[in-house]
Amino acid sequence: NAGVMQNPRHLVRRRGQEARLRCSPMKGHSHVYWYRQLPEEGLKFMVYLQKENIIDESGMPKERFSAEFPKEGPSILRIQQVVRGDSAAYFCASSPARVNTEAFFGQGTRLTVV
Amino acid sequence: DQQVKQNSPSLSVQEGRISILNCDYTNSMFDYFLWYKKYPAEGPTFLISISSIKDKNEDGRFTVFLNKSAKHLSLHIVPSQPGDSAVYFCAASAQRDDKIIFGKGTRLHILP
Repeated sequence: NAGVMQNPRHLVRRRGQEARLRCSPMKGHSHVYWYRQLPEEGLKFMVYLQKENIIDESGMPKERFSAEFPKEGPSILRIQQVVRGDSAAYFCASSPARVNTEAFFGQGTRLTVV
Repeated sequence: DQQVKQNSPSLSVQEGRISILNCDYTNSMFDYFLWYKKYPAEGPTFLISISSIKDKNEDGRFTVFLNKSAKHLSLHIVPSQPGDSAVYFCAASAQRDDKIIFGKGTRLHILP
């Protein structure tokens, strides 16, 4: 899974600041997923994107969270006005442009809100 | 609404014995199932998958069994090794919407 690159690995933000998490999918992959893992919890689906399109954002909080996957460049998960409850590990995964295949994960970004 | 359930938060198995991790799902539209392994501070790593047209898939020490009528799948690891100590996530997807839904995970401890 080293092919999916996430940065930064660790991010510390004060309450009220913005957090930007980046994900570069594996070469040839056009599908990107974002997941959040809270302490002692499983992986919660947040959003599924293809290039320039949000396919499914049913797991995204309605406010403060947004995601994009532009034609050029990495996918970005953006959290505005962060709160302590946003502290979690955020994982990005990518898959090729076909259904029913495994997704490959990055190492994650651990966000800490102080 | 938890569509993929792993009811055992943790499991301890003696080294060399068989580890059996269980998973239940509720969504009958799921047609593809996956197991991932996760070490602390790392991303999940894909282990093995199974399509709903099969009831068994084997890859080395790992075998996944699928019982569609019971909406149940299991991962067998034999023989268990110390490096198998990790959190194992069961996951499922449906062809029609393609997102992968994960269970909460089972922490496997392999005892010496």
